[in-house]
Amino acid sequence: DADVTQTPRNRITKTGKRIMLECSQTKGHDRMYWYRQDPGLGLRLIYYSFDVKDINKGEISDGYSVSRQAQAKFSLSLESAIPNQTALYFCATSDYYSNEQFFGPGTRLTVL
Amino acid sequence: DQQVKQNSPSLSVQEGRISILNCDYTNSMFDYFLWYKKYPAEGPTFLISISSIKDKNEDGRFTVFLNKSAKHLSLHIVPSQPGDSAVYFCAASEAGTASKLTFGTGTRLQVTL
Repeated sequence: DADVTQTPRNRITKTGKRIMLECSQTKGHDRMYWYRQDPGLGLRLIYYSFDVKDINKGEISDGYSVSRQAQAKFSLSLESAIPNQTALYFCATSDYYSNEQFFGPGTRLTVL
Repeated sequence: DQQVKQNSPSLSVQEGRISILNCDYTNSMFDYFLWYKKYPAEGPTFLISISSIKDKNEDGRFTVFLNKSAKHLSLHIVPSQPGDSAVYFCAASEAGTASKLTFGTGTRLQVTL
């Protein structure tokens, strides 16, 4: 079984809809991250959480919110989706002692 | 402002030859660097890393070189194999920011037969 899972894997939605992307991990890591990938822009950090009570904005947090429901779960929400939020979204985890992050398989989101 | 830059969007190398992927950075506070490999429809996977106190780190066919004065690092793959065809991302973390990473834009490597 995968250590970091993301649901859904693909989602098509319409402008103005609320969307939630979910991430779960079995690695026992405290730290979790959400990134988006756009062609030619690499991966950009949206939000990160170093423990259940710690939430931090990343480079591009506008239009997004997150919830850390438990050590193993970190959800990303788009309150009112817009077309330029069409992208590939990745969740990642890491432990306290390492810079290495472990990524989920990604969610491809299309906003029409 | 792109703090980590990979200026070559793509690279094609023949099987058995050396692949050299380059990465430049502008933030002098970066002290740890990583390379990730990404196949289509999968998440990035960690490949190799290097601390700023070193100038070289080797793991099998993969070697990362760091030139701090030039703010440049490179990934060498020798010999290149068809299974190495993927997108490679360079990433960096800043001293004191724990594991928060800044990624480059990626280089697509194609290893041809």
